[in-house]
Amino acid sequence: NAGVMQNPRHLVRRRGQEARLRCSPMKGHSHVYWYRQLPEEGLKFMVYLQKENIIDESGMPKERFSAEFPKEGPSILRIQQVVRGDSAAYFCASSPGMGLLGYTFGSGTRLTVV
Amino acid sequence: AQRVTQPEKLLSVFKGAPVELKCNYSYSGSPELFWYVQYSRQRLQLLLRHISRESIKGFTADLNKGETSFHLKKPFAQEEDSAMYYCALRGKMGGTSYGKLTFGQGTILTVHP
Repeated sequence: NAGVMQNPRHLVRRRGQEARLRCSPMKGHSHVYWYRQLPEEGLKFMVYLQKENIIDESGMPKERFSAEFPKEGPSILRIQQVVRGDSAAYFCASSPGMGLLGYTFGSGTRLTVV
Repeated sequence: AQRVTQPEKLLSVFKGAPVELKCNYSYSGSPELFWYVQYSRQRLQLLLRHISRESIKGFTADLNKGETSFHLKKPFAQEEDSAMYYCALRGKMGGTSYGKLTFGQGTILTVHP
């Protein structure tokens, strides 16, 4: 089992471009969480998804950010029209159920906006 | 609202010395508290959780509801303990616990030889 896979590991985008971050959960995991870590800060919850459903998006910025977890394929965090303030490390975690049993983090994607 | 505070960004000790990483929280209900660790170039992983009352790699943490603290302690630090440590809290939504975690800012522990 390869664990939670995030790609790319590093992503550089110019201001105004779109960033797409992918998270492939562990086999058998149908719950995905996205977190953002800004420089000098801890991880902050963004969104919680189950297959084809957004359960809790209370941590998502109101504009430009969206997330999906389709029936097939990885979960995608999409940031439109990126700005310098979006530069951060984005982590996802997956679990087989609602609780923390088997909760596993990916290695993260470091987004740099130039 | 729930909040986790780790007052020390950096902590340095010598090998064999005791170490304590501080964590304070605010939460209106009954919290579940965790410590996560991230070693260099590795992913974040669970170190211990308060409900288990266990000792992992010599580390222990006791939940003190009166002081709203969950400090991580080890009596004799080792060089391989050098890492980033995060305290985290899990709350509930609609009476149900799920995997949404609130993290502190993290403490970088360096253990010198």
